[in-house]
Amino acid sequence: DAGVIQSPRHEVTEMGQEVTLRCKPISGHNSLFWYRQTMMRGLELLIYFNNNVPIDDSGMPEDRFSAKMPNASFSTLKIQPSEPRDSAVYFCASTLGASGGGDTQYFGPGTRLTVL
Amino acid sequence: AQSVTQPDIHITVSEGASLELRCNYSYGATPYLFWYVQSPGQGLQLLLKYFSGDTLVQGIKGFEAEFKRSQSSFNLRKPSVHWSDAAEYFCAVGGTGGSYIPTFGRGTSLIVHP
Repeated sequence: DAGVIQSPRHEVTEMGQEVTLRCKPISGHNSLFWYRQTMMRGLELLIYFNNNVPIDDSGMPEDRFSAKMPNASFSTLKIQPSEPRDSAVYFCASTLGASGGGDTQYFGPGTRLTVL
Repeated sequence: AQSVTQPDIHITVSEGASLELRCNYSYGATPYLFWYVQSPGQGLQLLLKYFSGDTLVQGIKGFEAEFKRSQSSFNLRKPSVHWSDAAEYFCAVGGTGGSYIPTFGRGTSLIVHP
């Protein structure tokens, strides 16, 4: 199993540009989570999908952020327009969804985003 | 609402020394408890988890953790630390009340001196 795949691994962009981060969860997993990690705020949940449906997006910072999951094997997180304060490492994680709160989270390697 | 506290931001140990990383949680019932490790430049990886039963849980890489209900704690231990254990360690409580969303602590950074 290839694990959770994220692309790109690194992204450097200028303020105002659109950024799209991609995630492929582990095959057979039905829950997907997007997190943001910074030194100041630690690991923050942005949005959670179950069976491709957004269940909780209360962590999405503002309207500049949007996420989609068109099918079970692909999700995107888009920032438009990007700002320097969006610089962070963005992680995608998936779970089997069989044990509810007891599910193990499988994390991707992350995308390091730098907005200049 | 549930919460997780990792009181130590950084821990420094010498290679070969024993290790204990602290984790306290706040939740009325017995929660699902996890420890994850994050090596530099990588995502989080599960070390071990506790659901019920034996309160001493064995994990990968020689780690173990003990659930103590009376202290609301789930401390991570290793008898002899290796330089490769230098990483960030996160304690987490699984989603409760039908929620699938875990709560992570802020993490403890482990520094290993040769």
